[in-house]
Amino acid sequence: KQEVTQIPAALSVPEGENLVLNCSFTDSAIYNLQWFRQDPGKGLTSLLLIQSSQREQTSGRLNASLDKSSGRSTLYIAASQPGDSATYLCAGRYGQNFVFGPGTRLSVLP
Amino acid sequence: DVKVTQSSRYLVKRTGEKVFLECVQDMDHENMFWYRQDPGLGLRLIYFSYDVKMKEKGDIPEGYSVSREKKERFSLILESASTNQTSMYLCASSFIGAGERDEQFFGPGTRLTVL
Repeated sequence: KQEVTQIPAALSVPEGENLVLNCSFTDSAIYNLQWFRQDPGKGLTSLLLIQSSQREQTSGRLNASLDKSSGRSTLYIAASQPGDSATYLCAGRYGQNFVFGPGTRLSVLP
Repeated sequence: DVKVTQSSRYLVKRTGEKVFLECVQDMDHENMFWYRQDPGLGLRLIYFSYDVKMKEKGDIPEGYSVSREKKERFSLILESASTNQTSMYLCASSFIGAGERDEQFFGPGTRLTVL
């Protein structure tokens, strides 16, 4: 069964720190991996999509990497801000099936 | 701009009522999905549809049905709402190609409370 896990479940950092969120998947036959942000009570907003042929993708202060051989993806957030506080989810696409991790709840303290 | 909309942000219904949740996407996507999200359980797939009038059961279809009469619209139906269906419901869509570039896009969610 395809499974996606995320570590840590929650993270609290002071403003300005660089941080890394981790995502692991059991099946390396992944089509792509997508990182989302979710604010409380809201839907999911797509942040980055990494294709299976890519190793990383960048958008502003965000950088996501993908290592299929080890079954891992990381989301790097540079110079964190209080506005980055949210839950971050990763999802692997396998055909028409999307498998989600449970999320990491991030708090950036002013 | 890519958009998935859901008919209600908040909904309160009584046990036994029939409930309709509507989702519309404007991206000409073939795939549409309904998930529910609960604390500690994450996102769970209820149903998905890959074409008009086509549907596939997800992980937790019991107590739900769906309808897709038009490509852009996917409805989730609770035939007889129960309190354990109180949850956040999320609709999403994507292209069917399963190409490497195909993202999944989400609506804003509907918070359903069943009393």
